[in-house]
Amino acid sequence: QKEVEQNSGPLSVPEGAIASLNCTYSDRGSQSFFWYRQYSGKSPELIMSIYSNGDKEDGRFTAQLNKASQYVSLLIRDSQPSDSATYLCAVNRNNNDMRFGAGTRLTVKP
Amino acid sequence: GAVVSQHPSWVICKSGTSVKIECRSLDFQATTMFWYRQFPKQSLMLMATSNEGSKATYEQGVEKDKFLINHASLTLSTLTVTSAHPEDSSFYICSANPGLAVGTQYFGPGTRLLVL
Repeated sequence: QKEVEQNSGPLSVPEGAIASLNCTYSDRGSQSFFWYRQYSGKSPELIMSIYSNGDKEDGRFTAQLNKASQYVSLLIRDSQPSDSATYLCAVNRNNNDMRFGAGTRLTVKP
Repeated sequence: GAVVSQHPSWVICKSGTSVKIECRSLDFQATTMFWYRQFPKQSLMLMATSNEGSKATYEQGVEKDKFLINHASLTLSTLTVTSAHPEDSSFYICSANPGLAVGTQYFGPGTRLLVL
């Protein structure tokens, strides 16, 4: 079992729709959770961090964490073509141990 | 804030030569920096954790004698790929935690290495 699992996609949604990205992790001791966006040929860019169960909203983005189910998700509302990228889920087991999922490729079609 | 730079952004070298990549935290001090490698269409793989003033911690399977890491100051870490071979061609990315929030890492723009 991989430490951090994501559906590789591609996930395709029409412009204006909600994109839902999912991630599961194996280490119950994980403490902090992150979503990064990576455009092709670029390095990852931090979008959201979440540390406790529940939802965290930032603009069009909502991160959801369920530690009991070891599940993290990212919702993107009103998806735009500029949101087309690979989204990486990252899980931090302690301050210096970050593990990344393989990423989900999202395409938002105009 | 929390800006990380890398230099060079692109490098092409001949097989057998060594290549040095610099990673700098521009507006914060970083006692710890991280080096990742990413092959096309694959995820980030942590290579090593760079610790200021002490030896780097390498992930399993990463050759420490081939990938030399020096964290000489609180704002600079370097990765030297020694005797590079075509299979070392990859996208190398560093990151650092500015201490703003637990575990948060900010990434440099990456260095694309092509070994001929």
